[in-house]
Formats: sequence, C-alpha cells, structure tokens
Amino acid sequence: QVQLQESGPGLVKPSETLSLTCSVSGGSMNRYYWSWIRQPPGRGLEWIGYMSYNGATNYNPSLKSRVTISVDTSKDQLSLRLSSVTAADTAVYYCARHAYPEGSYSHFDSWGQGTLVTVSS
Amino acid sequence: EIVMTQSPATLSVSPGEGAALSCRASQNVNNNLAWYQRRPGQAPRVLIRDASIRPTGIPVRFSGSRSGTEFTLTITSLQSEDFAVYFCQQYNSWPWTFGQGTKVEIK
Repeated sequence: QVQLQESGPGLVKPSETLSLTCSVSGGSMNRYYWSWIRQPPGRGLEWIGYMSYNGATNYNPSLKSRVTISVDTSKDQLSLRLSSVTAADTAVYYCARHAYPEGSYSHFDSWGQGTLVTVSS
Repeated sequence: EIVMTQSPATLSVSPGEGAALSCRASQNVNNNLAWYQRRPGQAPRVLIRDASIRPTGIPVRFSGSRSGTEFTLTITSLQSEDFAVYFCQQYNSWPWTFGQGTKVEIK
C-alpha cells in the first residue's frame, strides 16, 4: 500500500509563497496522477490541481494563476507552490493519488495525513 | 463547477445503531462518486467508489447507493471506530469537487 506524507512550513507570511512536499513510499509514482487538495478551517475540501507521472498538469481555475505542482519521480516526491498567499489560504493541505494508472478521472485511493499551513504575519 | 451538498452536517448516533448520510450533486455525475472517511490524525480513506463499490478491505457494514443525483452512504451497526467525518467527492467532471462533510458523533 502506497503511503504519502506531506511536509513543509506550518507558518507562511502573507504575500509569500507556500511550498510543500509530499513524499511517496511503498510504491512507484510512475503511471499515476498526483493531486493536492486542501481544506480551510470550517469549510469543505478543495481540489487544487494535479500533475501526472509524465508531466501533464491541471489546476483548479480558482487557483490556477498562483499554483505550480511538480513531480520528481527520481525522489518519489510531489511538490506544491502557491504564491501570493493570504489568510484565505490557511488550510490543511493533502496530497493524494488518483486511483487508476494513467487516468485522472478517478477517486483518490491514497492520501497523506495532511499538514496545516497558517498564513499570518 | 459541480456543487456537492452533504447532509446533515452532524449526525449523533449510538453505537450499534445505523446511519444514513446524504450527498447531492448539482448536476448529473453518473456513478462517478466516492465516499471517504477521515478519523482525527489519520489520512482519509476511500470507503465507496463508483457510487456503490466497496474497495477491498472495507467492512460490509458500509454501503453506497444512488438515486439520480442523490447519493447515500449507509453504515449499519456503528462501531467505535466509525465515529469520524465522512465526505463525498465527484470525479465525473473537472474540477473534482467535494461535499462539506458529515461528522458522525457518539450520541
């Protein structure tokens, strides 16, 4: 069973860039799509975007101008960068794997535990 | 964007009782709906995929059904480990969207 673990700063200042890493173990990143998802306090989950094993990306239109997702299959890591953050970006951030190889239209079969990022000066 | 609406927000249930959680889609999502469980401090796990299919390892007390754009997660005879937050997700149309979640708490 593949395992995912998010890591990164828990506190980011407004207007700065949020950077998180997701380490994948117990399985290869090849052939799969990998997403970032977040949940602000008191609100529902929001899909941020994905990157595939072969570099294809797709971002939520609501965040597209500020998001960059990358994958390093040699390190088994997925990364998220979100620029120009505000308090509204305070959330628990999750990484997750799309369930089916070479496909993005699927549920998520593996998730990380999530990491809380607070945007505050 | 498809809006997923879950109800109720909180459900108080006694151990051993059953529970029915609802998730309504604002548009047709076919059977492309999943249910997840999230326990405190744990990673979410998928309970139901494709509206009614239980992945390997998920107890049979969890079941999913669909009626049009209305989806239901039914839990029979709640166990202590079932008190958690449940949320639904549609993967029929991009961007993928989630419900707000239902917290199942001990009555």
